[in-house]
Amino acid sequence: QKEVEQNSGPLSVPEGAIASLNCTYSDRGSQSFFWYRQYSGKSPELIMSIYSNGDKEDGRFTAQLNKASQYVSLLIRDSQPSDSATYLCAVKFGGATNKLIFGTGTLLAVQP
Amino acid sequence: NAGVTQTPKFQVLKTGQSMTLQCAQDMNHNSMYWYRQDPGMGLRLIYYSASEGTTDKGEVPNGYNVSRLNKREFSLRLESAAPSQTSVYFCASYEPGASTDTQYFGPGTRLTVL
Repeated sequence: QKEVEQNSGPLSVPEGAIASLNCTYSDRGSQSFFWYRQYSGKSPELIMSIYSNGDKEDGRFTAQLNKASQYVSLLIRDSQPSDSATYLCAVKFGGATNKLIFGTGTLLAVQP
Repeated sequence: NAGVTQTPKFQVLKTGQSMTLQCAQDMNHNSMYWYRQDPGMGLRLIYYSASEGTTDKGEVPNGYNVSRLNKREFSLRLESAAPSQTSVYFCASYEPGASTDTQYFGPGTRLTVL
């Protein structure tokens, strides 16, 4: 069974702090990793994708991938109240089907 | 350019009733997906269609059927609704090989089965 695991939270951080969100996955053959943000009552939207080991930065967001440890993380610098949402980790497992397996999501609350 | 649209937005059914959830995309994507989202369970794939004319089961297909009507439209049918099917249903579309490697989600349908 292919699995993606996240801590459900809530993760509470003060405004301006760094929020660190973590995700582990079960299939060593996975090649593509995604972070989606989902506001309450809304649909998920992609914020970061990462395919190679190391860090990928986009504005205040940094995704980190360690395939040896089967671990992917998302750092949000200078957290804002508007970042308060559920963050979903998704993994595209090996094969040609382009299917994603989602984690259960981590609820982030940024306190003003 | 509306992206992915879903109808209806809300629906209440009684146990045993049937209904079809509609999904359409205007991005000319080949692949389409149906997910359900339950509290604490994340998004789970019900069915997907890799291309027009093909459909395959996902993680939780029992109690559902799908139809890929054409390249734009992918519908999800509940033949005999059960309270366990109370959930939020999301449709998504995706184009393999596109520069933006992401699934695009519709706004969701909130279904309650009494």
